[in-house]
Amino acid sequence: EAQVTQNPRYLITVTGKKLTVTCSQNMNHEYMSWYRQDPGLGLRQIYYSMNVEVTDKGDVPEGYKVSRKEKRNFPLILESPSPNQTSLYFCASSGQGKTEAFFGQGTRLTVV
Amino acid sequence: QKEVEQDPGPLSVPEGAIVSLNCTYSNSAFQYFMWYRQYSRKGPELLMYTYSSGNKEDGRFTAQVDKSSKYISLFIRDSQPSDSATYLCAASNTGTASKLTFGTGTRLQVTL
Repeated sequence: EAQVTQNPRYLITVTGKKLTVTCSQNMNHEYMSWYRQDPGLGLRQIYYSMNVEVTDKGDVPEGYKVSRKEKRNFPLILESPSPNQTSLYFCASSGQGKTEAFFGQGTRLTVV
Repeated sequence: QKEVEQDPGPLSVPEGAIVSLNCTYSNSAFQYFMWYRQYSRKGPELLMYTYSSGNKEDGRFTAQVDKSSKYISLFIRDSQPSDSATYLCAASNTGTASKLTFGTGTRLQVTL
């Protein structure tokens, strides 16, 4: 089954404790993205990647890091999480020249 | 000002009603317009895609774009309880889903 898998689905952490949210896709897609979804603000892109080792900032990259060492994986790293990064995070992938993005199930992160 | 504006609702309609969901956008470079549907606790899924101005119909759903007024619409005919979800409009200036700008989403409730 074609899918984007994020882990974990839920995470509560403390300020300053480094964490990684994993994302994996099995569709051999070139493009992968991370979004955060907040009430009243909608989905906002954090980072995106056009292919292995090629990444670029989205609209709200501050406080986040990404890497794309393999085509199927695109982890999101929060080196020093803060409470304002409490949000619902989505990973998405899409094929080159394709207009449809496939989203994961989401990761609800709470930073206390 | 957000590049894509959307009334957050919630919008409550009886089963069988015609639903009209709307967005406006400000970026003239946007050429590709999408509607995503997001059920509770799930990731968004592509519902409709339109290039430039015009209409597109798919079953009970019709997407409409008027580039002269920068207006995006989604019409749902004969609405069903299973249509209850959050509807997100999105726009892009590329033909790929690598970088999407989303509205905040409109929550729709179809009641029996």
